[in-house]
Amino acid sequence: DAMVIQNPRYQVTQFGKPVTLSCSQTLNHNVMYWYQQKSSQAPKLLFHYYDKDFNNEADTPDNFQSRRPNTSFCFLDIRSPGLGDAAMYLCATSRSGPAAVDEQFFGPGTRLTVL
Amino acid sequence: GIQVEQSPPDLILQEGANSTLRCNFSDSVNNLQWFHQNPWGQLINLFYIPSGTKQNGRLSATTVATERYSLLYISSSQTTDSGVYFCAVEFQGAQKLVFGQGTRLTINP
Repeated sequence: DAMVIQNPRYQVTQFGKPVTLSCSQTLNHNVMYWYQQKSSQAPKLLFHYYDKDFNNEADTPDNFQSRRPNTSFCFLDIRSPGLGDAAMYLCATSRSGPAAVDEQFFGPGTRLTVL
Repeated sequence: GIQVEQSPPDLILQEGANSTLRCNFSDSVNNLQWFHQNPWGQLINLFYIPSGTKQNGRLSATTVATERYSLLYISSSQTTDSGVYFCAVEFQGAQKLVFGQGTRLTINP
């Protein structure tokens, strides 16, 4: 089945120690998104790739970076995690044209704990 | 500003009851999706419904784009329906989804 895969499902890191979360997809979608979701809140978009073009949200901290080496993979790098970065990180994909976004599909998420 | 509002914020029902969840949005939309977030945190697609009515088993949804609202109906609720239901909207020209704050549904046996 075509799907969005996130690894690892649970990640524990230490305060200030860089961490990388990964997302892969078999849907061949051209757009990939990273969301942060804290407890009892809605998902918050951090950034997205439209093909190879990177689009950062205005309020995403510089501590968060992303890489998309090919269509199938996208990575979220947190350079110096703080306690406030503990959250669920959700990857999503969609097939989109320039005018509108098609249906988004989400991976299972990575739950990040910062000690 | 651009807003997506969901109501009610919390809903507690007995198994077998029916429920209606509402999503109001502030501007014209290209895309509207309903999701169910399960206890493990995954967002499950329920409906992609920028306009019109769709049904899938016990669930159905209606979006009236001209009046800027969408409704999600759940009939004969089961305990496995518990979780948070999100409405997410792509406003015209935005090319990204804006999520409402969700409705937390609890179905008691």
